[in-house]
Amino acid sequence: SAVISQKPSRDICQRGTSLTIQCQVDSQVTMMFWYRQQPGQSLTLIATANQGSEATYESGFVIDKFPISRPNLTFSTLTVSNMSPEDSSIYLCSFLAGGGETQYFGPGTRLLVL
Amino acid sequence: KQEVTQIPAALSVPEGENLVLNCSFTDSAIYNLQWFRQDPGKGLTSLLLIQSSQREQTSGRLNASLDKSSGRSTLYIAASQPGDSATYLCAFSGSARQLTFGSGTQLTVLP
Repeated sequence: SAVISQKPSRDICQRGTSLTIQCQVDSQVTMMFWYRQQPGQSLTLIATANQGSEATYESGFVIDKFPISRPNLTFSTLTVSNMSPEDSSIYLCSFLAGGGETQYFGPGTRLLVL
Repeated sequence: KQEVTQIPAALSVPEGENLVLNCSFTDSAIYNLQWFRQDPGKGLTSLLLIQSSQREQTSGRLNASLDKSSGRSTLYIAASQPGDSATYLCAFSGSARQLTFGSGTQLTVLP
């Protein structure tokens, strides 16, 4: 199966700043997703990122706050903009390989906003 | 909107015991179901995938079942081991492949 990595693995940021999280897959994949896991909570989908089209955001998430790029079939970025302590979470990317239904997840980025 | 509930929230069992984790959902129009495990400080590991047309899947000591009519899925773990200690998450996929997750069951297997 494909290997997926995320950078950074963790970060501590100041309120009002922005952080860009990178997600890299070692093979070409069709669909990529970004999820958030707030402390003590389960995962919530932020958006679907498909190459060649704008990301599709879930209710409660907006592009100005969480801009996403998907420049090719192996890479995506999620930016958390103008951060506040409420953005402290684990951010995970995932993907579906072509023709498959199993969704694979990256190791996550642990973000703490002070 | 799909809602997913997992019971129990936490479970502690002695090593060697067989156990069942439960997952229920409100909307039967699901595309597929996945069970994951999440270890502290790590991402998610996919355990089993059940397509909506299937009733169960097996992998080693794990067996997952799906009953759409009752809105339930179960994960059966046979002969539990301390290495099985983790949080287990069920997730349902709609036609657009977005996953809706349950709140998870935190399993502790005592040596």
